[in-house]
Amino acid sequence: AAGVIQSPRHLIKEKRETATLKCYPIPRHDTVYWYQQGPGQDPQFLISFYEKMQSDKGSIPDRFSAQQFSDYHSELNMSSLELGDSALYFCASGIPAGSYNEQFFGPGTRLTVL
Amino acid sequence: SQELEQSPQSLIVQEGKNLTINCTSSKTLYGLYWYKQKYGEGLIFLMMLQKGGEEKSHEKITAKLDEKKQQSSLHITASQPSHAGIYLCGADISGAGSYQLTFGKGTKLSVIP
Repeated sequence: AAGVIQSPRHLIKEKRETATLKCYPIPRHDTVYWYQQGPGQDPQFLISFYEKMQSDKGSIPDRFSAQQFSDYHSELNMSSLELGDSALYFCASGIPAGSYNEQFFGPGTRLTVL
Repeated sequence: SQELEQSPQSLIVQEGKNLTINCTSSKTLYGLYWYKQKYGEGLIFLMMLQKGGEEKSHEKITAKLDEKKQQSSLHITASQPSHAGIYLCGADISGAGSYQLTFGKGTKLSVIP
């Protein structure tokens, strides 16, 4: 069965550089969620999109922006990278309906900022 | 303070033993999710519970939801080395159709052959 695809799987950047992470949801899933998991931390919700519109916003820094495209894939753009941005970035997709909200996670992108 | 508390933080069991991991919420649960994570890898969806008293099983893993206590438990029967990993509970506790998940700190499970 198709799963959530994230690219790249690993990324190394210097401080103050920019990075773009991509997420391809499971086919027919219209909602994408982004989470950040720091070393030894639990995942923290960043932002979500439903039908190409931002649906919810969590602890996403102003230096980050994201969007969902017409084909439902999403991109997380990160600028002025800081050392503290080093983390695993997960994308999840789902089809929330009422109280039902099953989220399937991708393998993550490991970002290392040097 | 942590909105989702997991216990224990880590667990070491002998292969073949049963174990239970608990997840307690300080807020109303609108859905409780269990995930398993190998170190540095993605989250593997295990089970989702929505209704009080709901119980689901998959292979040797059983999860229950006590809505009144705002608590869920994950029980593994006859543990195997393949069960080792970090178990995370996640919940939709913000309500209002938010759907964002808040996670516990995770329980690290080691299974000794």
